[in-house]
Amino acid sequence: KAGVTQTPRYLIKTRGQQVTLSCSPISGHRSVSWYQQTPGQGLQFLFEYFSETQRNKGNFPGRFSGRQFSNSRSEMNVSTLELGDSALYLCASSLAGRGAGAGEQYFGPGTRLTVT
Amino acid sequence: AQTVTQSQPEMSVQEAETVTLSCTYDTSENNYYLFWYKQPPSRQMILVIRQEAYKQQNATENRFSVNFQKAAKSFSLKISDSQLGDTAMYFCAFMTIYNTDKLIFGTGTRLQVFP
Repeated sequence: KAGVTQTPRYLIKTRGQQVTLSCSPISGHRSVSWYQQTPGQGLQFLFEYFSETQRNKGNFPGRFSGRQFSNSRSEMNVSTLELGDSALYLCASSLAGRGAGAGEQYFGPGTRLTVT
Repeated sequence: AQTVTQSQPEMSVQEAETVTLSCTYDTSENNYYLFWYKQPPSRQMILVIRQEAYKQQNATENRFSVNFQKAAKSFSLKISDSQLGDTAMYFCAFMTIYNTDKLIFGTGTRLQVFP
């Protein structure tokens, strides 16, 4: 089974621009979660989508948004980029059920975003 | 709100030796999951081991095992027969069973395995 894929792997943007990151989950996984990783704040939960609906949202400004498509692929968008948005953005997928393997998330390689 | 604390920013161990990484957490919930994730220099986050809070038996995965002390809210990871490929950042993470896809991470422990 192919793992979680994220595109692009690296991105350089300037302040004020917007960016869209993409995540394709493991086949059969219906939940996609996004995390931001920075040296200062560590790993922080952004949001989670299941069946095209946002189920959970972290404490991030409204400039951060996302969506999920019917094939479970997900995108996240950051508008009006700020220098502090420079980070590694990680996507994770899971079966989103109970029982064996419940809660296990499998991560993609991440997208490294640099804002200049 | 739940929190996860890893008090050891860095640790080192010699190849073939055993090392234990510490993690404590705070929650008012009774049922939850705990995880250890490994992030090597490649930055790919890899699931190492998972523990269900309602199971008293400690989880094991080959050379990796945990010491889960629910009353003390402690969840340490023991790596036996350390290998050079174990060099990585290790993150302890918490997830309630009610928000099954939101991980709360600790700050991580950087483990260096020396030959």
